[in-house]
Amino acid sequence: GAVVSQHPSWVICKSGTSVKIECRSLDFQATTMFWYRQFPKQSLMLMATSNEGSKATYEQGVEKDKFLINHASLTLSTLTVTSAHPEDSSFYICSARSRRSSYEQYFGPGTRLTVT
Amino acid sequence: GQQVMQIPQYQHVQEGEDFTTYCNSSTTLSNIQWYKQRPGGHPVFLIQLVKSGEVKKQKRLTFQFGEAKKNSSLHITATQTTDVGTYFCAGQTNNQGGKLIFGQGTELSVKP
Repeated sequence: GAVVSQHPSWVICKSGTSVKIECRSLDFQATTMFWYRQFPKQSLMLMATSNEGSKATYEQGVEKDKFLINHASLTLSTLTVTSAHPEDSSFYICSARSRRSSYEQYFGPGTRLTVT
Repeated sequence: GQQVMQIPQYQHVQEGEDFTTYCNSSTTLSNIQWYKQRPGGHPVFLIQLVKSGEVKKQKRLTFQFGEAKKNSSLHITATQTTDVGTYFCAGQTNNQGGKLIFGQGTELSVKP
C-alpha cells in the first residue's frame, strides 16, 4: 500500500514553454501533498504544501506564479512550471500524506525536467 | 528558520566497515524520519523516530533519537555494497503542518 505515482517520469521542453507534472496517490487518500525540488548532489528543498481544495502554501523564495500547484482531489495534485527556463531544470518530487497518518509521507518516483 | 544539519556530506568505506551519519536540528522535533535515495532514484522511507531517546533497529541499521529530540543518528554495521546511496534525515515539528525539513544528506560509497 501507500503508492504514489508521478507523470511524466522525465520531460524535455523548450525554454518559454509550460510543463505540467502530475502526482497521484494510488491506494490512499492524500489530504496533503508536498512538492520538492532536488538539484544534483543536493538535498530536497520543499517548494510548497498543497491541501485538497485549498490554495497551496509556498516556501519563501518560491514564485507561486511560476510554479502553479493545484490539488483538485484527494488523489491528485499537479505542478505546472510556467515559462520554463534552463535554470528550472531539476528533479521534482512529490510526496503525499494520508489522512490516517500525521507523520509519514510517501514519495513519488520523481520527474526529471530538462529545459533546453 | 528551522534547519537540520547533517554530517558528514560524503563517506567512503571499505565493505565490512561501519558507517554513521549524524543529524542535528536547530529546534526541538516532534519526530525525525530517515530516507535512503539510491543514485538516480527517489527517497525511500526507512524509519520514523518519535520518542525521546528512542532506539530502533532494522537488521544492520540502528537509528537513535536524542533525549532532547534535536539530534539523531543512523549507524550501519558491516556495510555492504547494497548500502550505497544517500541517506537523508528529515525532521518535523508540531507547528509546521507536517512539513519535513531535510538534512543535506550523507552520500555513502562502499568499496568491495
